[in-house]
Amino acid sequence: GEDVEQSLFLSVREGDSSVINCTYTDSSSTYLYWYKQEPGAGLQLLTYIFSNMDMKQDQRLTVLLNKKDKHLSLRIADTQTGDSAIYFCAEPSGGLTGGGNKLTFGTGTQLKVEL
Amino acid sequence: DTGVSQNPRHKITKRGQNVTFRCDPISEHNRLYWYRQTLGQGPEFLTYFQNEAQLEKSRLLSDRFSAERPKGSFSTLEIQRTEQGDSAMYLCASSFDATGTEAFFGQGTRLTVV
Repeated sequence: GEDVEQSLFLSVREGDSSVINCTYTDSSSTYLYWYKQEPGAGLQLLTYIFSNMDMKQDQRLTVLLNKKDKHLSLRIADTQTGDSAIYFCAEPSGGLTGGGNKLTFGTGTQLKVEL
Repeated sequence: DTGVSQNPRHKITKRGQNVTFRCDPISEHNRLYWYRQTLGQGPEFLTYFQNEAQLEKSRLLSDRFSAERPKGSFSTLEIQRTEQGDSAMYLCASSFDATGTEAFFGQGTRLTVV
């Protein structure tokens, strides 16, 4: 079955870059997602990447995908205190389509931004 | 449309009681998903609907759990004879039925069974 792994915790100083890593198992995934969850709240989709791309940039966010190693990363440039949250990577499971299918989430990486 | 709406936001119940949660998806979305999230974990898939049809259920969804989406719009998730292990955040999401479209999540219902 699908398994998505992330490191549990990351601490950075305000203004530095943050890099959150994720490994996944389903090589047939056509999309991979990054979600953000603030305390007590639901999940907010940050960005996603097609599996035929190596990189996607969206303002302060850069997603890198290494399909050979099944490794996904999210880089946040100029990290701010408002970026403190839990970040989840997710892949579709049970099929070849993207958002139309259920998602398997990692355990989440808690990002703490210090002044 | 303000997004996916879930009610109630919080529910405290005694063990053995039944509870029901409601999810109102984004109006034009025909797919609706339920997930459960326990502390320190990512969301785990429970079930999903396409219109009113329940197309898949996880083995996490025991016989005490039932979900409905009678008219293809809002959905309810009922837990009968609640147990302490049912304490979790229950998240609802909705999406279009199309490849590559993203799922939008509600704020969740936090259930505490005492």
